[in-house]
Amino acid sequence: KQEVTQIPAALSVPEGENLVLNCSFTDSAIYNLQWFRQDPGKGLTSLLLIQSSQREQTSGRLNASLDKSSGRSTLYIAASQPGDSATYLCAVPLEAGNMLTFGGGTRLMVKP
Amino acid sequence: ETGVTQSPTHLIKTRGQQVTLRCSSQSGHNTVSWYQQALGQGPQFIFQYYREEENGRGNFPPRFSGLQFPNYSSELNVNALELDDSALYLCASSFTGSYYGYTFGSGTRLTVV
Repeated sequence: KQEVTQIPAALSVPEGENLVLNCSFTDSAIYNLQWFRQDPGKGLTSLLLIQSSQREQTSGRLNASLDKSSGRSTLYIAASQPGDSATYLCAVPLEAGNMLTFGGGTRLMVKP
Repeated sequence: ETGVTQSPTHLIKTRGQQVTLRCSSQSGHNTVSWYQQALGQGPQFIFQYYREEENGRGNFPPRFSGLQFPNYSSELNVNALELDDSALYLCASSFTGSYYGYTFGSGTRLTVV
């Protein structure tokens, strides 16, 4: 059974800091890994999708890396802004079309 | 191109009642999944539909059921509501599997009193 863990559970940083969010998974035979953002009480917004054959993906100030062999992914946020405050979730399917298994999320607060 | 839309956005029901939640898939997507997210936790997979048939189910009792229609929209039905069913229910769509990832809707907040 796939288990996904995100550390830390919560993070508070001053504006402008670069930060790293961690995601680990127990079964390395994943199909891909997706990072989502969730604002309080809202749905999920997809940030980055990394295929199992890729090492990283970048979108603006966001960079996600994937190391399947060690069962880890990191989401790097450069020059954080108060608007980045949200919960960040990572999720993996074991096979194409399979269910997503989510981590518990990291709740980020960026202070002005 | 429209995204995934869910209705209603909020709902309050009494324990023992039945509820139906609705989801319209993103244009071009043919697979719909439903997730339950309790407060402060990550979403939990309920079930998935492809070609109008359930093709995957998480650890949820039979009183959670669903439908997918020919236009790929979907319904989630929950019978005999319990207090623990209070959660955010999320619908996600994708195209024939997860290669391009999933697109999620804004969710329906269900409160059971």
